[in-house]
Amino acid sequence: KAGVTQTPRYLIKTRGQQVTLSCSPISGHRSVSWYQQTPGQGLQFLFEYFSETQRNKGNFPGRFSGRQFSNSRSEMNVSTLELGDSALYLCASSLELVNYNEQFFGPGTRLTVL
Amino acid sequence: AQSVTQLGSHVSVSEGALVLLRCNYSSSVPPYLFWYVQYPNQGLQLLLKYTSAATLVKGINGFEAEFKKSETSFHLTKPSAHMSDAAEYFCAVSLDTGGFKTIFGAGTRLFVKA
Repeated sequence: KAGVTQTPRYLIKTRGQQVTLSCSPISGHRSVSWYQQTPGQGLQFLFEYFSETQRNKGNFPGRFSGRQFSNSRSEMNVSTLELGDSALYLCASSLELVNYNEQFFGPGTRLTVL
Repeated sequence: AQSVTQLGSHVSVSEGALVLLRCNYSSSVPPYLFWYVQYPNQGLQLLLKYTSAATLVKGINGFEAEFKKSETSFHLTKPSAHMSDAAEYFCAVSLDTGGFKTIFGAGTRLFVKA
């Protein structure tokens, strides 16, 4: 069974631009969560989508948004990029809503904002 | 506020020695607890999880963790370290905050010396 895939793996943008990251979950998984990983803040939860609906959201500004499609694939968008948005963005999928369910992580998209 | 604290950002052990990675959580309700491992340039992989069944949980690669409610701890151990165990380890708690959210600790990087 294929794992979680994220595209692109690396991305370089400049301040003020916007970016869209993509995540394809494991086949059959209905929940997709997004995390931001930085050396200073560690892993921080962005949001979780389940059946095309955002079910939970972390403490990030409205510049961070996402969506989930009917095939469970998810995209994350960051508008008006800031230098502090440079991070590894991880996507994780699970069979059902995240509570006690295991999350399967993709390799991440490393975003660099110049 | 609910949180996860990992004591020691870096731990170094000799090959064959005991591995002990500490994790304490704060939660007003029984949480679901996880340990994940992250190898360089990869996403996170589940080592083990506690979901209110047995307090001693066995995971992959010879790791285990014990849930101690009185100490609010969920320390990760392995009797004998192997070079391939060198990685970053994350303790995580999943809490119902009106929708489950997974909170990760800051991580502990494990070094294994030959």
